[in-house]
Amino acid sequence: DAGVIQSPRHEVTEMGQEVTLRCKPISGHNSLFWYRQTMMRGLELLIYFNNNVPIDDSGMPEDRFSAKMPNASFSTLKIQPSEPRDSAVYFCASATGTGVTEAFFGQGTRLTVV
Amino acid sequence: GQSLEQPSEVTAVEGAIVQINCTYQTSGFYGLSWYQQHDGGAPTFLSYNGLDGLEETGRFSSFLSRSDSYGYLLLQELQMKDSASYFCVSYSGAGSYQLTFGKGTKLSVIP
Repeated sequence: DAGVIQSPRHEVTEMGQEVTLRCKPISGHNSLFWYRQTMMRGLELLIYFNNNVPIDDSGMPEDRFSAKMPNASFSTLKIQPSEPRDSAVYFCASATGTGVTEAFFGQGTRLTVV
Repeated sequence: GQSLEQPSEVTAVEGAIVQINCTYQTSGFYGLSWYQQHDGGAPTFLSYNGLDGLEETGRFSSFLSRSDSYGYLLLQELQMKDSASYFCVSYSGAGSYQLTFGKGTKLSVIP
């Protein structure tokens, strides 16, 4: 398996634009997590899904952020409109679900909002 | 809520042993894990403790005490490549698990 695949790897956008980050989890994994990493706040859990259903989205900063998982092999994190403070590295991770002991991370998307 | 406390930085000499401590306050706590992240890279799994006691994986060991809400990661025979950030991670929930990361400990291994 190729592991968790995120795209794009880097994104530079202007303030106010819509940004969509994409994630393909490892096949057979039924838990998916979105994290945001910054120097100031560390790794923050934004939302996680189990069997494509959002379980906890309390970490989503505000209504400008939304996440979907339309099927077991694809998830998106959308920011609309984007702001400079959204600049961060966004990671997607997947795990096998119940009895999980290891989450596998993608290489991340480095987002810069100017 | 969920919170984990660990030191922000540790420096140790190549070949030595270093211990990184973690205390947690996690509702619905299930287990504690450790992840390593090199600069510019993604976090990677090191170990998991679901029960009290010590788990050993090569040069790395991890310990959990549920009664003390405390765990640690022990790295032995330190190598330069061990310079990285180390995160303690709590698993909580039932049926599906939420992974909450501590702020991370930046380990610098010096010659």
